[in-house]
Parts: sequence; structure tokens; C-alpha cells
Amino acid sequence: TQLLEQSPQFLSIQEGENLTVYCNSSSVFSSLQWYRQEPGEGPVLLVTVVTGGEVKKLKRLTFQFGDARKDSSLHITAAQPGDTGLYLCAGARNAGNMLTFGGGTRLMVKP
Amino acid sequence: EAGVAQSPRYKIIEKRQSVAFWCNPISGHATLYWYQQILGQGPKLLIQFQNNGVVDDSQLPKDRFSAERLKGVDSTLKIQPAKLEDSAVYLCASRRDRGYGYTFGSGTRLTVV
Repeated sequence: TQLLEQSPQFLSIQEGENLTVYCNSSSVFSSLQWYRQEPGEGPVLLVTVVTGGEVKKLKRLTFQFGDARKDSSLHITAAQPGDTGLYLCAGARNAGNMLTFGGGTRLMVKP
Repeated sequence: EAGVAQSPRYKIIEKRQSVAFWCNPISGHATLYWYQQILGQGPKLLIQFQNNGVVDDSQLPKDRFSAERLKGVDSTLKIQPAKLEDSAVYLCASRRDRGYGYTFGSGTRLTVV
């Protein structure tokens, strides 16, 4: 059983559509990170959220950390083919702790 | 700054053979991690080093996997003997300090036949 559950597992959409990816857990995390991974490469850090209720924006990507610090979401506005990839959330129980990753959401944006 | 370097990029071995992977983290990054990523899944932590000491190896299958980080810089991960289910991408990551994100290498894709 994954400590962090991501949904959906797969998502295929047309260019220009909006989408939201969810990352849920029954555990509380001190911080949560989102990564994007392309084929043949390692995950690349997109954002770190540390405060309950925190919202961070990165161009067309909006990240939110739940008030209770147990869940997070990633919203992409007007998706582009370049957004295609595997999106991973990862949580740390405390600042020195290792990251536990979710199973990932594989996104495909068709032109 | 230079990224996390890993080698080899690909390796194909027969079951019961041995294999070793190498990682050179970003200079000055004290914490180093090895993750295993099976196709279609998220990365799973194998071992965490702080300088040259092991912080967490609770998920490392110690009957066949071993890792070391001599002098607190480069690290090697070894599998001996390999099984079919070890086929995966082995990712190395480093982190400068607490509160910072991980920087991952490109990984080594291992296929055990």
C-alpha cells in the first residue's frame, strides 16, 4: 500500500484543456514536493510546499498543500504538449527525513 | 553547477550475475540517496547516506544489495546475485541540506534476463 496515493494514474487530454492531479495520504507531512519525470531521465523538482493551505504558482501550474498537510493538488491550466510526463508527489515526515514518493500520474497532452 | 552523475546508463545481465552502479553527487551535497523505480511506479528508497554514514537502509534487501559511500562523496550500489525482479531504474539523488529539494541523476536502467 502506497503511503501517498496519486490520482488519476493516467491522464490523456487535448492541448488547451485544464487538469488537476491529486496526492492524498492519511499521514501528516512536514513538507511535500512535486516532481516531473521525462522518459530516460530522473525526476526534476517543480515545487516544495511546507505550510498547510499554502498555494504556489509556477507559470501555468498551481500547487496547493492541504490545510491538514495530508494532501496536495497540482492544477495545470491550458495544458501544452510540453507538459507531457510523469508527475510525482513526494512527502517528508520531518525536515531530515527521506522522501516517500507516490505512484505517479502519467500525463499525455495531445496537440 | 554540475548535476548528479550516474553510470552506466544501461546494463543488461543474466540472473544470478553481479552488477554495480556508480553515483557522483553534486559537490558539497552531504546527503545521498539510492532509489529503485520499477516501470510504472514511483521511486522507492533503498538507502540514505549522510556524508559517509548510513542514515536509513531499512528498505534495502541486504541479502543481495549493498551500498557504500567511501570518503562521503561517490557511492556505489551493488546487487549480488541479481534476480529478474531487480529489473528497474536505479536513481541516485543528492541534497545539500535539510529543507532543500533533491537533485536526481538520470538513472541506470537495469534489465535482468
